[in-house]
Amino acid sequence: IAGITQAPTSQILAAGRRMTLRCTQDMRHNAMYWYRQDLGLGLRLIHYSNTAGTTGKGEVPDGYSVSRANTDDFPLTLASAVPSQTSVYFCASSDSTDTGELFFGEGSRLTVL
Amino acid sequence: GQNIDQPTEMTATEGAIVQINCTYQTSGFNGLFWYQQHAGEAPTFLSYNVLDGLEEKGRFSSFLSRSKGYSYLLLKELQMKDSASYLCAVMDSNYQLIWGAGTKLIIKP
Repeated sequence: IAGITQAPTSQILAAGRRMTLRCTQDMRHNAMYWYRQDLGLGLRLIHYSNTAGTTGKGEVPDGYSVSRANTDDFPLTLASAVPSQTSVYFCASSDSTDTGELFFGEGSRLTVL
Repeated sequence: GQNIDQPTEMTATEGAIVQINCTYQTSGFNGLFWYQQHAGEAPTFLSYNVLDGLEEKGRFSSFLSRSKGYSYLLLKELQMKDSASYLCAVMDSNYQLIWGAGTKLIIKP
């Protein structure tokens, strides 16, 4: 089934640990995004990639890094997790950068203690 | 700054009609989007408006007034499965999506 797969679904992590959230899509979409969703706030863009080999910073990039080695994969890394990074993380893709029709993964719930 | 406002929560009755409003102030405008998000799930695309007027898609309709910075999502013949959060998002001049916090819609029998 075509779509976006995120892993892990849920994770509890000690502060200071490194963590990578994985995201893979099989729709051959050029653009990919990482958002975090916190209660009472809208989705906030962390990082994005318009095409393989390029990445850009979103609204809340500090403490996160991404890579886009190929079209399908867009991992998000927390180098040294802090409790304020407790959130639900959504990966999304779109077939072009000027369309707002995004396809989302099921989300990764991360708790940093 | 850029801002999207929508009500935090609304309650409606099964079979009725509900209108969810969204007002926005953004740097430029390249379209307004509505997404549906059931609790614990991913958002899914509902509608897109870039020109003024009403777009109808089955039981759901979306309206846009660019001069007023205003949109609404109209849900007719409400069903229990429509209980969800509805997210309004605007694409700004840099083609970045600015998201509202979402409106939680509670449907009562």
